[in-house]
Amino acid sequence: DAGVTQSPTHLIKTRGQQVTLRCSPKSGHDTVSWYQQALGQGPQFIFQYYEEEERQRGNFPDRFSGHQFPNYSSELNVNALLLGDSALYLCASSHQQSSGKLFFGSGTQLSVL
Amino acid sequence: GEDVEQSLFLSVREGDSSVINCTYTDSSSTYLYWYKQEPGAGLQLLTYIFSNMDMKQDQRLTVLLNKKDKHLSLRIADTQTGDSAIYFCAERASGAGSYQLTFGKGTKLSVIP
Repeated sequence: DAGVTQSPTHLIKTRGQQVTLRCSPKSGHDTVSWYQQALGQGPQFIFQYYEEEERQRGNFPDRFSGHQFPNYSSELNVNALLLGDSALYLCASSHQQSSGKLFFGSGTQLSVL
Repeated sequence: GEDVEQSLFLSVREGDSSVINCTYTDSSSTYLYWYKQEPGAGLQLLTYIFSNMDMKQDQRLTVLLNKKDKHLSLRIADTQTGDSAIYFCAERASGAGSYQLTFGKGTKLSVIP
């Protein structure tokens, strides 16, 4: 049983570009959340998707958007990249009816030059 | 607002017990989590506790929750060199279906052989 998988593992972009990160949830999970982890910090919540809709959103600008597909996989899009967007982006999956377990993928390391 | 505080560093000798402490502010938190992060990796779920519990034990791990003081601790018995990592405490916001976690900055555990 595969866990949460993310792609790509590493990515280098330049300021102003756009990026798309991908996530496949753990088998049986229907809810996907995205987090940003800057160097030396704890992860910060970006948003959560369930039933293909954004259900909750953290304190991130509209440049950050997402999508969830019918197979529960998800994408995170960031437009007009800034140097400060350089971070590890983590995807987490869970089941709406679960007892609270939330599993994370290994992340995508984004570097903006 | 929500805030999670942890001490940044802890150093213990191999074979000793480690205790990592955390304080949180949201009294309506539903679940509290401990995650482990090794260099260059994602977050590994170690354990979690529902807010109406005082204690949870899982092999070498013991979680204690003092809801009155909003204090959470993780004890690792017989600490091994493989336990060296950063440990994150996180609280989960209340609200049906919410998987918005607020993380501390992490405690770096160093195990001395």
